[in-house]
Amino acid sequence: GENVEQHPSTLSVQEGDSAVIKCTYSDSASNYFPWYKQELGKRPQLIIDIRSNVGEKKDQRIAVTLNKTAKHFSLHITETQPEDSAVYFCAASMGNFNKFYFGSGTKLNVKP
Amino acid sequence: GAVVSQHPSRVICKSGTSVKIECRSLDFQATTMFWYRQFPKQSLMLMATSNEGSKATYEQGVEKDKFLINHASLTLSTLTVTSAHPEDSSFYICSANIRGGAGEQYFGPGTRLTVT
Repeated sequence: GENVEQHPSTLSVQEGDSAVIKCTYSDSASNYFPWYKQELGKRPQLIIDIRSNVGEKKDQRIAVTLNKTAKHFSLHITETQPEDSAVYFCAASMGNFNKFYFGSGTKLNVKP
Repeated sequence: GAVVSQHPSRVICKSGTSVKIECRSLDFQATTMFWYRQFPKQSLMLMATSNEGSKATYEQGVEKDKFLINHASLTLSTLTVTSAHPEDSSFYICSANIRGGAGEQYFGPGTRLTVT
C-alpha cells in the first residue's frame, strides 16, 4: 500500500518567516494530495490540495508544490503568523473518493 | 458548506459497555464516510471506510466485531465500540466525501472516548 512520510516533525519559525513542510509518497498511482491543519483538540481542516495534473497551486500565503517524478510534495507558508501555529498533515490518495494515507504530522510553532 | 457533525463530543463509559458515535453530514450527501482514530500527538489512523447501504471495509488490524459501523443513509454513519476497554480510549474522528464532489474529505469535530 501507499506510504507517506512527512518532515520535519516539529518546526519553529519567527513570525514573518516562511515555513516549509515536506512529504514523500511511495505509490505512483496516487494523484490527489491534500494538506490539513489541526489545532489542539479540534478537527482537521483542509487548507489546500493539489492534483497530479498540476505542479503548483497557491492560495494567498499558502502554496503547495508537487514533483511527480520524485514523488514528493511540499507545503509552503509565507509571512507566518502566530495563528498559523498548529499541526499540519499531508495525505495522498489514489483517485476520487478513495481513502487517504496520512503523513505523521508536523507541529508548527510560530513565535511572535 | 460541507459541515460534518459528530455526537457526542465527549463520552465516558465503564469497561465492558458499548458506546455509539454518530457522524452526520449536515448540508450535503456523503458518498463515503471514513472513521479514524487519533492518539495524542499522533497522526490519523484510518479504521474503516463506509458506504451507504453496504458493509464497511475495515483496515488491517481493526476488529470489525468490536468496531461496528452502520451507514444507514447518505448523511449518517455510526460507529459502535462494543465491550469497550480502557485501551479503546481515544479520539475518534469521522470524515465524509461530498456526493458529486472531487474527493475532498471533510472532518467532523471528533469524539473523545474515555473508558474507565
